[in-house]
Amino acid sequence: QKEVEQDPGPLSVPEGAIVSLNCTYSNSAFQYFMWYRQYSRKGPELLMYTYSSGNKEDGRFTAQVDKSSKYISLFIRDSQPSDSATYLCAMRRSGGSNYKLTFGKGTLLTVNP
Amino acid sequence: NAGVTQTPKFQVLKTGQSMTLQCAQDMNHNSMYWYRQDPGMGLRLIYYSASEGTTDKGEVPNGYNVSRLNKREFSLRLESAAPSQTSVYFCASSETPVRYEQYFGPGTRLTVT
Repeated sequence: QKEVEQDPGPLSVPEGAIVSLNCTYSNSAFQYFMWYRQYSRKGPELLMYTYSSGNKEDGRFTAQVDKSSKYISLFIRDSQPSDSATYLCAMRRSGGSNYKLTFGKGTLLTVNP
Repeated sequence: NAGVTQTPKFQVLKTGQSMTLQCAQDMNHNSMYWYRQDPGMGLRLIYYSASEGTTDKGEVPNGYNVSRLNKREFSLRLESAAPSQTSVYFCASSETPVRYEQYFGPGTRLTVT
């Protein structure tokens, strides 16, 4: 079983829809959870970050972490065509020399006008 | 403020040729990383440098070498390119090794024929 599983999609939604993107993981040592957004032919950029369990909201974006289920989600409300991108989840352990981020494969999202 | 820059943007190599991918950051970050991104595989860490003067192997280091030239620059060398190294290569940096946020460059698209 891979450490991080992410449905690659593609996911196509109409403008204004609520989008749910998800990742599951197997390593219970992961404590930091991130969502990166990657536009076509660009480098990833950090979108949201959550430490341990709980929710975090930033504008139209909400990140949720359920450590008991080893499941993280990113919700996008009122999706816009400019949200069309690949969304990558990433995770990291805390402490020690565990610098490595483990990425999901990414979900390609298209928001249609 | 350019952030993370990478050169070249595109490169085509023949099997057995060598080349060096260059990366520089102007954010005074201590840590730098090299990733490759392949369809269906996500981002995989090749090498990283937690601080100037140190380098460590990541998930897929075989066939690559790195040099942390100074605090700003981190290069990736392919000594004898193979078709399996056809990929998009991203350089990233972070303020410290334990900072979760990594800043990515625009990538280098490498094709090995």
